[in-house]
Amino acid sequence: GAVVSQHPSRVICKSGTSVKIECRSLDFQATTMFWYRQFPKQSLMLMATSNEGSKATYEQGVEKDKFLINHASLTLSTLTVTSAHPEDSSFYICSARRKRGGTDTQYFGPGTRLTVL
Amino acid sequence: AQTVTQSQPEMSVQEAETVTLSCTYDTSESDYYLFWYKQPPSRQMILVIRQEAYKQQNATENRFSVNFQKAAKSFSLKISDSQLGDAAMYFCAYRKTSGSRLTFGEGTQLTVNP
Repeated sequence: GAVVSQHPSRVICKSGTSVKIECRSLDFQATTMFWYRQFPKQSLMLMATSNEGSKATYEQGVEKDKFLINHASLTLSTLTVTSAHPEDSSFYICSARRKRGGTDTQYFGPGTRLTVL
Repeated sequence: AQTVTQSQPEMSVQEAETVTLSCTYDTSESDYYLFWYKQPPSRQMILVIRQEAYKQQNATENRFSVNFQKAAKSFSLKISDSQLGDAAMYFCAYRKTSGSRLTFGEGTQLTVNP
């Protein structure tokens, strides 16, 4: 099956610092990747859609200067949380879109727990 | 805008029994996909089953099957012979055929009792 990895799985940082999260599709190429945020016991909230070689499309209310997304290759997208604050603490999940044989499916990474002190 | 509603925040089932999770959605599109994803305590999202709206036949994957009622915009998930490993949060999701973004429901927390 399709495998998507995320690194790191958890990170603790001080307020004001920046944190980078990587999302990789390990066995397929993904022209489109997605970044979600999930609060405890809640659903996934789409933050942005990342397209390889172009600027990310951010959802309404998501600050693009705070959540920098780069999709430099067909297998890697990164999310950088700049000047992190405690309210940015959350679970961040990426997914990668795979099109194959007429099917089009999103496969998810294992998530990254960010804690900002 | 499309919306997905899961009206059961929590459900429980006895091991080996059958449980049905409900999902309704709202869309003006005629062609789309519906999904059920499972999120166990590890929080890894796992695709359980997929249904194309143009197919009348209900999708089945081993112990998991759906009841897709297009006119009623209903998409329920039936889990047969429930196992302890089925305990998880289950999310119903919608995607337009022409689009890429998923719209998720609020989730249903399933507990399996031994």
